[in-house]
Amino acid sequence: EPEVTQTPSHQVTQMGQEVILRCVPISNHLYFYWYRQILGQKVEFLVSFYNNEISEKSEIFDDQFSVERPDGSNFTLKIRSTKLEDSAMYFCASSREGNQPQHFGDGTRLSIL
Amino acid sequence: AQSVTQLGSHVSVSEGALVLLRCNYSSSVPPYLFWYVQYPNQGLQLLLKYTTGATLVKGINGFEAEFKKSETSFHLTKPSAHMSDAAEYFCAVSESGSARQLTFGSGTQLTVLP
Repeated sequence: EPEVTQTPSHQVTQMGQEVILRCVPISNHLYFYWYRQILGQKVEFLVSFYNNEISEKSEIFDDQFSVERPDGSNFTLKIRSTKLEDSAMYFCASSREGNQPQHFGDGTRLSIL
Repeated sequence: AQSVTQLGSHVSVSEGALVLLRCNYSSSVPPYLFWYVQYPNQGLQLLLKYTTGATLVKGINGFEAEFKKSETSFHLTKPSAHMSDAAEYFCAVSESGSARQLTFGSGTQLTVLP
């Protein structure tokens, strides 16, 4: 069964550095999402992306965050200048249509030192 | 605005016993409802979904859930627990329509005792 793939599985970065998290959605999916889960807290929505533009974003998704689909397969989340509170598990998801269930990757654990 | 409440952050059942994980939601529009399961060091796997139609929905691994609009509930059940069901379970809601964000509950850790 097709899967959403995320790399790396664990990223350790110094505070203030830029980080890029990568995702390869399922190949025939058109809608892409990022969520995060801070340790011990709920899974929170960050952003959704369709047709090369952001569809929705949460309050968490401020100017430090950006998303891009640089080619036909990758979907990336960039954090420009990381803060300690950005430490979390970041999940990428994709769906075939906007009202179809979202399929999640295994996540990238981001640790900010 | 939507919200999801999962009653019980930890639930323990004996192997072979009924599993009942509770989920209540609030939504100002007709919701889509989901249950996801997360095994250690893995992502979220869809168990089942309710969008429209039949209010009792069946999912993978013998799980099912019933949408009760009057109670704003979407509880997850399985008649007989198996050791392999031990995991964290998340209830989620989205608005119907396109590219809607999921709002998750805080999760319920299910332990299955031998």
